Amino acid sequence: SQTIHQWPATLVQPVGSPLSLECTVEGTSNPNLYWYRQAAGRGLQLLFYSVGIGQISSEVPQNLSASRPQDRQFILSSKKLLLSDSGFYLCAWREPSYNEQFFGPGTRLTVL
Amino acid sequence: AQTVTQSQPEMSVQEAETVTLSCTYDTSENNYYLFWYKQPPSRQMILVIRQEAYKQQNATENRFSVNFQKAAKSFSLKISDSQLGDTAMYFCAFSRRQAGTALIFGKGTTLSVSS
Repeated sequence: SQTIHQWPATLVQPVGSPLSLECTVEGTSNPNLYWYRQAAGRGLQLLFYSVGIGQISSEVPQNLSASRPQDRQFILSSKKLLLSDSGFYLCAWREPSYNEQFFGPGTRLTVL
Repeated sequence: AQTVTQSQPEMSVQEAETVTLSCTYDTSENNYYLFWYKQPPSRQMILVIRQEAYKQQNATENRFSVNFQKAAKSFSLKISDSQLGDTAMYFCAFSRRQAGTALIFGKGTTLSVSS
């Protein structure tokens, strides 16, 4: 069966520091991968998605970036965090032939 | 552009009762999918139910069922025999059929089930 992992689970970082959040999927090949951000008490905002290695599409201009160095690995990064980057970050995957997305456990990021 | 609207920020229900969460959407697409996701206090997003737009029959999953009205662009979720474990935030989501398409979420409805 497929599983999706995210780490770290929680992170507290100072403003201006770098960021790296990792997401990996097991049990599937060539998944579509997604990064979402959820602000407190609000819905999910799509940040990036990827249909293959090295293929990244950005939905929202910001100081975040994403990379997909391996088929089942998706990384969210920033060179300098802003206070507004605080939130709950969710990684999701789907098989290309299906439309359901399955979510990881999320990372709670607090920027101070 | 597609939009998803959930007009009920909060709802409450007693155990064993039935509750209906509303969702409307806007799209010019003819083939698409609709979903309800549940986010309990753990914040894990869990797929509850899905509906393909080309199917007229409403989807059901145990105590969860939908009322899909394509012409009205309405997609409500009915929870029967509510349980304490149903307490969560519920999100309605839309997806086009194309590969790589992301989900478009509503802002969510917080459901509280009390004993």
